[in-house]
Amino acid sequence: AQKITQTQPGMFVQEKEAVTLDCTYDTSDPSYGLFWYKQPSSGEMIFLIYQGSYDQQNATEGRYSLNFQKARKSANLVISASQLGDSAMYFCAMREGGNNNDMRFGAGTRLTVKP
Amino acid sequence: SAVISQKPSRDICQRGTSLTIQCQVDSQVTMMFWYRQQPGQSLTLIATANQGSEATYESGFVIDKFPISRPNLTFSTLTVSNMSPEDSSIYLCSVPGSRYYEQYFGPGTRLTVT
Repeated sequence: AQKITQTQPGMFVQEKEAVTLDCTYDTSDPSYGLFWYKQPSSGEMIFLIYQGSYDQQNATEGRYSLNFQKARKSANLVISASQLGDSAMYFCAMREGGNNNDMRFGAGTRLTVKP
Repeated sequence: SAVISQKPSRDICQRGTSLTIQCQVDSQVTMMFWYRQQPGQSLTLIATANQGSEATYESGFVIDKFPISRPNLTFSTLTVSNMSPEDSSIYLCSVPGSRYYEQYFGPGTRLTVT
């Protein structure tokens, strides 16, 4: 069974600084995908970044990058140059196998950006 | 990309009643997923709905409590039956995209049971 662990219930970061949100996972399937979502107070799920298990390079999307360490089974999200609008819940998720399979989520990290 | 709408967006219901949540997708999809997000918690998968077959429920969720319909490739409903305050949650439907990194979520239905 797949398992996603986010050990940081809450994180604070100063505006314009970088922050790393931790995520570890456990799976026996060699084919899987790792996702990060942002959920602001409005409740919508906003896709941020994706990393496939066979991808050789770490994924990047604008200010978001994913530090993928396959041997350690970690997929940490790095947000550079934090903005006040980055304050939200952040969820790490994993999907095993094909894209018709379900996605499982970690407990989430609440990020607060301080001015 | 897929655009998902959910109805209702929110509701306040009395305990013991039932509420049916609708999920409409603007494109045909094979699988639809229903998630529950209890206050301050993460998303938990309730069930997977495949068109033309019975939904597959996760441990802790049963069909009598959360019956699901999937009449076609663009629509699904989730009913929360015999509600109690513990059912107060956001319910989200989700579908995969055509590319492996795509997964789309509806805006959610905020349910409060009093």
